[in-house]
Amino acid sequence: AQRVTQPEKLLSVFKGAPVELKCNYSYSGSPELFWYVQYSRQRLQLLLRHISRESIKGFTADLNKGETSFHLKKPFAQEEDSAMYYCALNNNQGGKLIFGQGTELSVKP
Amino acid sequence: DGGITQSPKYLFRKEGQNVTLSCEQNLNHDAMYWYRQDPGQGLRLIYYSQIVNDFQKGDIAEGYSVSREKKESFPLTVTSAQKNPTAFYLCASSIAGGREKLFFGSGTQLSVL
Repeated sequence: AQRVTQPEKLLSVFKGAPVELKCNYSYSGSPELFWYVQYSRQRLQLLLRHISRESIKGFTADLNKGETSFHLKKPFAQEEDSAMYYCALNNNQGGKLIFGQGTELSVKP
Repeated sequence: DGGITQSPKYLFRKEGQNVTLSCEQNLNHDAMYWYRQDPGQGLRLIYYSQIVNDFQKGDIAEGYSVSREKKESFPLTVTSAQKNPTAFYLCASSIAGGREKLFFGSGTQLSVL
């Protein structure tokens, strides 16, 4: 079964500390993975996707097929990074996007 | 702002009542989706539609119904068969399928009276 797991409901760090939000997936094919972010009182929006291999707002994510992971990382957290983060998997079945449970990131001053 | 619009922002349902949540997009997107967001459970797919007059059940379709008569509109009806309807409902659209970026609406909070 296709599944996305984000093991941490809440991650709290201090400003300037490194951040890693974990995402593990279960999928038999070649996955397409995404990170979406929801800032307070804003809409859910795409942060980055693995095929783009881009860095957005200092965040990066590398697909590790051996560990079936797509962890989101940032070397120095900022207070404005506080938000809800969702990892998502496209299972290539008619466009279904499967989301993880979400991790709330809190960056303290 | 344009894009994808959900209404109303808040909705209350009485026992045995059907209610309909509106979702409209002006992005000319082919695909549209309905997700339910519950605390600690993330987003779960209710229904999705790749083209007009066609839609598929998601993971939690029971107690819900949809229609896709127009490209820009994808209303969701929460029927009386849905025993736990209180949740935050998100509509989304994309150019085609899930390979492309999803654009989300601002959501509708449904509560039971």
